Amino acid sequence: EVQLVESGGDLVQPGGSLRLSCAASGFTFRTYWMTWVRQAPGKGLEWVASMKQDGSEEYYVGSVRGRFTISRDNAKNSVYLQMNSLRAEDTAVYYCARGGYGYSYWGQGTQVTVSS
Amino acid sequence: DVVMTQSPLSLPVTLGQPASISCRSSQSLVYSDGNTYLSWFQQRPGQSPRRLINKVSNRDSGVPDRFSGSGSGSDFTLKISRVEAEDVGVYYCMQGTHWPRTFGQGTKVEIK
Repeated sequence: EVQLVESGGDLVQPGGSLRLSCAASGFTFRTYWMTWVRQAPGKGLEWVASMKQDGSEEYYVGSVRGRFTISRDNAKNSVYLQMNSLRAEDTAVYYCARGGYGYSYWGQGTQVTVSS
Repeated sequence: DVVMTQSPLSLPVTLGQPASISCRSSQSLVYSDGNTYLSWFQQRPGQSPRRLINKVSNRDSGVPDRFSGSGSGSDFTLKISRVEAEDVGVYYCMQGTHWPRTFGQGTKVEIK
């Protein structure tokens, strides 16, 4: 059974940093692109970042480029999202999803709240 | 960026009746490999999104056959042949052809 379990969400002050983790199981992790998608309170889905199987390619939505970094550890079946210089508008549930062009499996999400 | 425009944004439906959601993209979603990377997702209240349809018309495993996807180029449709109570939620289209990936605004399906 495919499972994606996010962790690391928290309440953080503006300008602060946070690192999200997503632990994958039930599939051959190293053969899939991995993606982060977020959803602000009461809003729709927003794609955040994706990384290729071997880490050689990564893409970001413009609003986070230069502040967020996606990474992965294929030995640990995990993908990460390092978030720096956090802003109030980054407040959202962050989902980890499998795939690069269409997300067949999603985690349960982890809440990130940026507030003073 | 490719803009995905869904309509309607709210869709009240009678149980057992059909429903249809339109999704239009600001650019063609045909990729250089010939595939069209258009997906549909369902998000029930309080749940994570779930993919229903990938590459325009391919239903995911376990998705009831009352859901169908169609379209080409930049014009796509999700149809529910007979709406059931469990279909209540928000439906999103998403393009996976161009970077950055983009979602539609979402269509809220509710029972009349």
